[in-house]
Amino acid sequence: DTGVSQDPRHKITKRGQNVTFRCDPISEHNRLYWYRQTLGQGPEFLTYFQNEAQLEKSRLLSDRFSAERPKGSFSTLEIQRTEQGDSAMYLCASSFGRASYEQYFGPGTRLTVT
Amino acid sequence: GNSVTQMEGPVTLSEEAFLTINCTYTATGYPSLFWYVQYPGEGLQLLLKATKADDKGSNKGFEATYRKETTSFHLEKGSVQVSDSAVYFCALRYGGGGSEKLVFGKGTKLTVNP
Repeated sequence: DTGVSQDPRHKITKRGQNVTFRCDPISEHNRLYWYRQTLGQGPEFLTYFQNEAQLEKSRLLSDRFSAERPKGSFSTLEIQRTEQGDSAMYLCASSFGRASYEQYFGPGTRLTVT
Repeated sequence: GNSVTQMEGPVTLSEEAFLTINCTYTATGYPSLFWYVQYPGEGLQLLLKATKADDKGSNKGFEATYRKETTSFHLEKGSVQVSDSAVYFCALRYGGGGSEKLVFGKGTKLTVNP
């Protein structure tokens, strides 16, 4: 069990560019979550998947954001036309089972939009 | 909506001091409650949890009791160590209606001096 991994760990991009992040959950975990954390704040929920189905999306997930989990394993989070307000740490977490009380977090991808 | 309010930081203590970090919540129904810890340069780790009223979660010398009557889940440790320096997040998970998301407080930074 190697834990949740995220790639890249850091991304610097210019405003208006598109970026894509990847998350690999703990193997056999059927649920995968994306959160965003800005400086001095707690993580905020963005979306979650059960297997390949996206079951819940936050209002924070504007039209410029899209997430996929095509085969129920890894997931990608894409931000189109990035804005400076998108600068944050993007966290991925995974869990297993129906009574999934424990979410295991990855190290995060830090996005800086210049 | 569901929300978590935790004690503003930063908190600075000397080694072996007693620690309390206050956390109160607002939620409909019966949420599960968590404390997560984020050590410098690392991802969020689950510290302890409680899933119903009067449950006590404990781990690594930390304890928190789910108090429904006061809607609180305060974190305590009898004798802190330098290695406890980290940011602590209180969170709730409300499973009603199928939602799996965690709702976090803003975090409390703890620094323990030798």
